[in-house]
Amino acid sequence: AQSVTQLGSHVSVSEGALVLLRCNYSSSVPPYLFWYVQYPNQGLQLLLKYTSAATLVKGINGFEAEFKKSETSFHLTKPSAHMSDAAEYFCAVSKSGGSNYKLTFGKGTLLTVNP
Amino acid sequence: NAGVTQTPKFQVLKTGQSMTLQCAQDMNHEYMSWYRQDPGMGLRLIHYSVGAGITDQGEVPNGYNVSRSTTEDFPLRLLSAAPSQTSVYFCAVRGGVTDTQYFGPGTRLTVL
Repeated sequence: AQSVTQLGSHVSVSEGALVLLRCNYSSSVPPYLFWYVQYPNQGLQLLLKYTSAATLVKGINGFEAEFKKSETSFHLTKPSAHMSDAAEYFCAVSKSGGSNYKLTFGKGTLLTVNP
Repeated sequence: NAGVTQTPKFQVLKTGQSMTLQCAQDMNHEYMSWYRQDPGMGLRLIHYSVGAGITDQGEVPNGYNVSRSTTEDFPLRLLSAAPSQTSVYFCAVRGGVTDTQYFGPGTRLTVL
């Protein structure tokens, strides 16, 4: 069984500040891990994904995440927040080995960016 | 969201009514799935299909029916709508060299 816990349903940062969104996972097999972003009234867009290659993954819009097996974590960071980063972010896990048919999502973290 | 379309965008139903949410893709990928999104719950898998003629249940399948007669289409049927099915529904297509799941724009359903 797989599960994802996103710590903090709401994170608020100032423009220019570091963004840190936390994700911990549980998986009985080596996982694939994903971060998706959802802007208001839109679908989900893939930010980045970890598929057992490099543990530090770079995504779109300046975001990156580091896979830490010992901590079962996959936290999302961005050095400097922009107003346009305000959105809801979802961490998701699936089985590795090309069988990522089923994504298990966390409950989401709403990011607010203050001017 | 390129290549995944969902119709309608909005729908209001009365309890007991039936309807079909449409999902279509032009990417020629085998795997398609349906999720529902509820506040504070993230996205939960309803049903999925690994190819034409093959479907299976996800995490929350009760009250929903699916079939897959073609690669392109994967409709989701509500046979007798209930207020608990008020949600935003997303269709997803998995494929490509990176095995990424691409999501449609969603259908917002309200059941009164």
